Amino acid sequence: DAKTTQPPSMDCAEGRAANLPCNHSTISGNEYVYWYRQIHSQGPQYIIHGLKNNETNEMASLIITEDRKSSTLILPHATLRDTAVYYCIVRSHTGTASKLTFGTGTRLQVTL
Amino acid sequence: NAGVTQTPKFQVLKTGQSMTLQCAQDMNHEYMSWYRQDPGMGLRLIHYSVGAGITDQGEVPNGYNVSRSTTEDFPLRLLSAAPSQTSVYFCASSYSRGAITSDTQYFGPGTRLTVL
Repeated sequence: DAKTTQPPSMDCAEGRAANLPCNHSTISGNEYVYWYRQIHSQGPQYIIHGLKNNETNEMASLIITEDRKSSTLILPHATLRDTAVYYCIVRSHTGTASKLTFGTGTRLQVTL
Repeated sequence: NAGVTQTPKFQVLKTGQSMTLQCAQDMNHEYMSWYRQDPGMGLRLIHYSVGAGITDQGEVPNGYNVSRSTTEDFPLRLLSAAPSQTSVYFCASSYSRGAITSDTQYFGPGTRLTVL
């Protein structure tokens, strides 16, 4: 699976958009980009995933560059409850096991 | 649906004691896994299972045993606890059918284990 690189921490004002970047320059054609987050002391929570096209759901938007070497998770109107560690993971859908590799992620702090 | 449940939420053990961490899911997911998370670190995979009767080792399996007798349950056993096993343990499950697996994993709330 491709390695990902994320900034260790970011700040965002409440109500503003939070844009979390992720580099995955060695991604291969069949690998998806997944985003999870972990709010303090809780289990990780799935946010969104995509292959090539931009994706949007009720939680966030995922923008993947045309060359697929990087992506950005967008929380359109961040709230204090979005303070968490955000993990970017690249993974193929083939294979008999779903072994996600969590790095250290980006710690997002949303402030008043 | 209750999703993924874990018991207990907290546990304190003495070195050498044994215990079983329980994990259950009611989503009929074939794939289940156990992770541990140490302070300031990401999650590391301990063991996983792609279906009842099938288990395999992850990144850090030493000191842990698992079994999968039913689709719903995936217990994690510590045979002889050591202080190095002090951690937060998360169980997860996801859909899996044959060669296609979903990486939309659902995580339990975690078990916080302290070994003295």
